[in-house]
Amino acid sequence: DAGVIQSPRHEVTEMGQEVTLRCKPISGHDYLFWYRQTMMRGLELLIYFNNNVPIDDSGMPEDRFSAKMPNASFSTLKIQPSEPRDSAVYFCASSFTQGLLAYEQYFGPGTRLTVT
Amino acid sequence: DAKTTQPNSMESNEEEPVHLPCNHSTISGTDYIHWYRQLPSQGPEYVIHGLTSNVNNRMASLAIAEDRKSSTLILHRATLRDAAVYYCILRAIAGGRKLIFGQGTELSVKP
Repeated sequence: DAGVIQSPRHEVTEMGQEVTLRCKPISGHDYLFWYRQTMMRGLELLIYFNNNVPIDDSGMPEDRFSAKMPNASFSTLKIQPSEPRDSAVYFCASSFTQGLLAYEQYFGPGTRLTVT
Repeated sequence: DAKTTQPNSMESNEEEPVHLPCNHSTISGTDYIHWYRQLPSQGPEYVIHGLTSNVNNRMASLAIAEDRKSSTLILHRATLRDAAVYYCILRAIAGGRKLIFGQGTELSVKP
């Protein structure tokens, strides 16, 4: 299994530009999570989906952030317009409903975003 | 959400056991205890989880106090590859799949 795939791995953009981060969950997984990690705030859950439907988006910082999951194998996190304070590592994770192991989240390698 | 308290950092010697403590005095009866770790420049990875009884898997053991107000992650023989930040997380059943990460314990392993 290839694991959770994220692209791009690194993104440098200028303030005000639109940024789109992409995630491909592990095949067969029915939950998908987006996290953000910074030195100041640690690892924060932004939003998660179940069967492509957003379940909890209470961690999305503001309207500049949006996330979609058009199908079971693809999700995007978009920031428009981007600001320097959005600089962070963004992780995508997925998990599978399988008894006690249902709660195991598999994380991708992350996208390091730098907004100048 | 119930909180966890972990030491900021710990040191261990290679090939010795490591006991990573976690306090969660406000845990409720339906909170699961999860442990994840994050190696340098990688995403977190699941280590182990439990509810009331001690748990073992190929990576580690989880010892849960009888009153459930604390737990300990045990690495039986630390290797250099175990150097990571270890997170103790409480997951409320009512919270669905939500995991709230704290600051964790940074474990360093000396050869």
